[in-house]
Amino acid sequence: ELKVEQNPLFLSMQEGKNYTIYCNYSTTSDRLYWYRQDPGKSLESLFVLLSNGAVKQEGRLMASLDTKARLSTLHITAAVHDLSATYFCAPPGGSNYKLTFGKGTLLTVNP
Amino acid sequence: GAGVSQSPRYKVAKRGQDVALRCDPISGHVSLFWYQQALGQGPEFLTYFQNEAQLDKSGLPSDRFFAERPEGSVSTLKIQRTQQEDSAVYLCASSLRLEQYFGPGTRLTVT
Repeated sequence: ELKVEQNPLFLSMQEGKNYTIYCNYSTTSDRLYWYRQDPGKSLESLFVLLSNGAVKQEGRLMASLDTKARLSTLHITAAVHDLSATYFCAPPGGSNYKLTFGKGTLLTVNP
Repeated sequence: GAGVSQSPRYKVAKRGQDVALRCDPISGHVSLFWYQQALGQGPEFLTYFQNEAQLDKSGLPSDRFFAERPEGSVSTLKIQRTQQEDSAVYLCASSLRLEQYFGPGTRLTVT
């Protein structure tokens, strides 16, 4: 059974600071998804990482995937308040369609 | 264009009642997924359709849960004899290829 662990689960940052969220998963997966969820809202797709070594950037967020280490990271650069949300990583299991989500990282960016 | 829509957005049911949750996927999306998200947790996979065929129902928690997609478009998730532990947000997602697009969810509260 695929297990997904995100660290940290809670992150309080000051605006302008950098930080990294880590996503470890237990079994082989050749791709990984990152989603954002605002309170009471649905999930918004951020990144789809399709291969080992994949790196994608969008604004202040950058995601990477190391399939050999079974690790993905979401790096936040110069955080702003608008980034406050819960971030989920989700590798699919062996099926390649059944996403298994971590518990999420609740990010709060303070002025 | 229109995204995934779900109805109702909120549903309160008394324990023992049956409920039906509807999902309208993005037009042309072949794949449709249902997930259950408990408070403070990541979504958990329930079931997967490709067109009208239900290819995976391994995540359905009990035989009280039933999903259908008879014409390969709209899907309904039915829960019979609801229990308090069924209280959660039920998310529907659709996909054409790799990326899953989520609807706003239905918040089910069983009293």
